[in-house]
Amino acid sequence: DQQVKQNSPSLSVQEGRISILNCDYTNSMFDYFLWYKKYPAEGPTFLISISSIKDKNEDGRFTVFLNKSAKHLSLHIVPSQPGDSAVYFCAATSFRGSTLGRLYFGRGTQLTVWP
Amino acid sequence: NAGVTQTPKFQVLKTGQSMTLQCAQDMNHNSMYWYRQDPGMGLRLIYYSASEGTTDKGEVPNGYNVSRLNKREFSLRLESAAPSQTSVYFCASSESGNSPLHFGNGTRLTVT
Repeated sequence: DQQVKQNSPSLSVQEGRISILNCDYTNSMFDYFLWYKKYPAEGPTFLISISSIKDKNEDGRFTVFLNKSAKHLSLHIVPSQPGDSAVYFCAATSFRGSTLGRLYFGRGTQLTVWP
Repeated sequence: NAGVTQTPKFQVLKTGQSMTLQCAQDMNHNSMYWYRQDPGMGLRLIYYSASEGTTDKGEVPNGYNVSRLNKREFSLRLESAAPSQTSVYFCASSESGNSPLHFGNGTRLTVT
């Protein structure tokens, strides 16, 4: 049973426009959320994170929004660039109890940014 | 810095064979992890080591064993490989349990 869901396997956006990637989770114990980016034949790289005590975190062109009541988060990329084309994974974890660093990943969304 | 290094990059095994996937990190991180990624799936945690000398099961530990050899190295062993273990295996490390993970580039394993 998937606890982190990314329901859009792919997204195509024109360069310069906004990319919005969505993620839903089912476990109310999750209190820390991350986005990873993955290029082919490489490992995932950390992009941005958000704690459940916040509803927004921004880092340059990347902003993550968290809606706890809806158990939903989204990643906004503005403006999108061709180099952003990659698979984006949403991940979640809980630091309560013993689930130290145990990330639960979504299936990923392939973002394609075209010129 | 090399970061997280995994060897080998590719491996083909026959059913029943054994092998060890090696992972080493040079960032002086305390925690290390093994994940697998199957087509169309997210990454799933196999085993992790919160600190040197400790290991714990993740979501999908069956068929695997691990060894935290020292602070730098964390190996994953398949004692009797099965086709269901065909996957891409990623090793990762983090400074602590609440730090983002740094991943290696993966080992692509095929079991025939």
